[in-house]
Amino acid sequence: GDSVTQMEGPVTLSEEAFLTINCTYTATGYPSLFWYVQYPGEGLQLLLKATKADDKGSNKGFEATYRKETTSFHLEKGSVQVSDSAVYFCALGVNQGGKLIFGQGTELSVKP
Amino acid sequence: DAEITQSPRHKITETGRQVTLACHQTWNHNNMFWYRQDLGHGLRLIHYSYGVQDTNKGEVSDGYSVSRSNTEDLPLTLESAASSQTSVYFCASSTANTEAFFGQGTRLTVV
Repeated sequence: GDSVTQMEGPVTLSEEAFLTINCTYTATGYPSLFWYVQYPGEGLQLLLKATKADDKGSNKGFEATYRKETTSFHLEKGSVQVSDSAVYFCALGVNQGGKLIFGQGTELSVKP
Repeated sequence: DAEITQSPRHKITETGRQVTLACHQTWNHNNMFWYRQDLGHGLRLIHYSYGVQDTNKGEVSDGYSVSRSNTEDLPLTLESAASSQTSVYFCASSTANTEAFFGQGTRLTVV
């Protein structure tokens, strides 16, 4: 069945370091791909998305490219800030309408 | 502003009791979802609904039920709470063409 695998955390970085969080997926058909972020004590917020192969989603300095050939959707940011500390979830949408399959989440901690 | 609200935010209950978690959205979205979040598992789908009177089982539906009598609400009921159901529960809503919008979550502890 459809599934998402993320790199395990926690990930600890210094401020201004480069961030990569790996995400790979298995799916039949042509899913949409998402990154959600969860700040402490809050619900999930959409960070970025891509709906077809080779699309690049971007928001708040974060980017991810939908790579069909490698079934990947890695999250990157060139220079992280303390305020980026959160849990990041990769997800795929199996059909239109919000039904999502999530990876296990990656906790990011950014130190000043 | 439209929003999605869960209540209560925190709940402690005893094993065997029936518990209902509320979810209310003012987006007028047709689709609503319940997920549970557990360490090491990410979020797993419990039940979902694509409209009034429509409900469907998700990946981890055993011990849970939902009903959809109107567009705005999708309450989640634990028929007989078990310690394995201690978790954080998230409700979400969407249309066919939008991403899912999530509530703030309900932390449920079964003792």
